[in-house]
Amino acid sequence: QVHLVQSGAEVKKPGASVKVSCRASGFTFSNYVFHWVRQAPGQRFEWMGWLKGDIGDTKYSQKFQDRVTFTRDRSAGTGYMELNSLKNEDTAVYYCVRNVPDTRHDAFDLWGQGTVVTVSS
Amino acid sequence: EIVLTQSPGTLSLSPGERATLFCRASQSVSNNYLAWYQRRPGQAPRLLIYVASSRATGIPDRFSGSGSGTDFTLTISRLEPEDFAVYYCQQYGSLPWTFGQGTKVDIK
Repeated sequence: QVHLVQSGAEVKKPGASVKVSCRASGFTFSNYVFHWVRQAPGQRFEWMGWLKGDIGDTKYSQKFQDRVTFTRDRSAGTGYMELNSLKNEDTAVYYCVRNVPDTRHDAFDLWGQGTVVTVSS
Repeated sequence: EIVLTQSPGTLSLSPGERATLFCRASQSVSNNYLAWYQRRPGQAPRLLIYVASSRATGIPDRFSGSGSGTDFTLTISRLEPEDFAVYYCQQYGSLPWTFGQGTKVDIK
């Protein structure tokens, strides 16, 4: 069985940073591209960017360009999303998702369970 | 960015009926790079269709996608009990990738 296993819920104050992990289970992390997508309460899914599992190249949505960093530990089969300068509006469920094997298509065939990040003073 | 508008908001149907869901883009989706997902309560989204009409691995053939440019359709030919869920479209033709607001298919 293949899974993406994410780290647990986080509560942060405005201005702080959060780092969420995403571990590949049942498949080889470096064979895929991974994206981060979030969903705030009552809002649409919002794409944040992608990370290539093999060479670590990244692409960020312009909206998050200045505040987000994606990294990975190939040996651990794990990716990370760090979001800085948190605001109340960053309260959301954050998902790590796997790109389909055909990288012409940024469609997502496997989703993590989601990590709830709450930003509150 | 491309805004995706899904309609209807809710579709109330009976098992065995045909469901037709729509996704309209605010501008043309390059290469028809549009995907559809199903989300059942308490579960992660499941990829159904990509590049407008290609079924993802393991997706039953009662699910079909069509359309091009700005107008796309997901059709479920005969609803099974497990198909009552929320459906989302997503475009990956122009950055940033964006999602529709969802259509809920519920039991009449």
